[in-house]
Amino acid sequence: GQQVMQIPQYQHVQEGEDFTTYCNSSTTLSNIQWYKQRPGGHPVFLIQLVKSGEVKKQKRLTFQFGEAKKNSSLHITATQTTDVGTYFCAGGFQKLVFGTGTRLLVSP
Amino acid sequence: DTAVSQTPKYLVTQMGNDKSIKCEQNLGHDTMYWYKQDSKKFLKIMFSYNNKELIINETVPNRFSPKSPDKAHLNLHINSLELGDSAVYFCASSQDSGVGNSPLHFGNGTRLTVT
Repeated sequence: GQQVMQIPQYQHVQEGEDFTTYCNSSTTLSNIQWYKQRPGGHPVFLIQLVKSGEVKKQKRLTFQFGEAKKNSSLHITATQTTDVGTYFCAGGFQKLVFGTGTRLLVSP
Repeated sequence: DTAVSQTPKYLVTQMGNDKSIKCEQNLGHDTMYWYKQDSKKFLKIMFSYNNKELIINETVPNRFSPKSPDKAHLNLHINSLELGDSAVYFCASSQDSGVGNSPLHFGNGTRLTVT
């Protein structure tokens, strides 16, 4: 079946450092979505990318969809303690399949 | 107003019991889902309903039975609870027909602990 993998599984950074999580699908996707789940919370939708090679920014967050529409990345510039949480990508292909998640810990 | 609300927030019960989790959405969405999140934080879809019709039924034991009385409600009943059922269960909804094209709106989750 369709699989969506994310790396790294876990990352611990100092506040101010950059962070990137990568998402790879076994199949070509119709779209990729990104979610953030704070500790003890529920996943919250961040953004959706649809076009091949698309890049979108939200303040310090940059999202990219690969040319082949099989991979994506989320980059956070100058992390803050409020960025702590687990980041999930979710690939759309007849249904939405969530990636394995990257847990981000930010130390002040 | 909460967009997707599920109850209860916490559920502690013994093996062998039967329990239900309720979910309601006021977003006017056509599709609702149940997801299971295990201790490793993996999010796995269990079921999805579009306009009260079951459209996704992943490999889930038949002890789990979803029910959608109308498109704003999707409940989950679990029979003969087992230790391995302990997890956080999330209800979600989306505007599309469940083909993965629309963002999901999640409820706050129900933490089920089976002892």
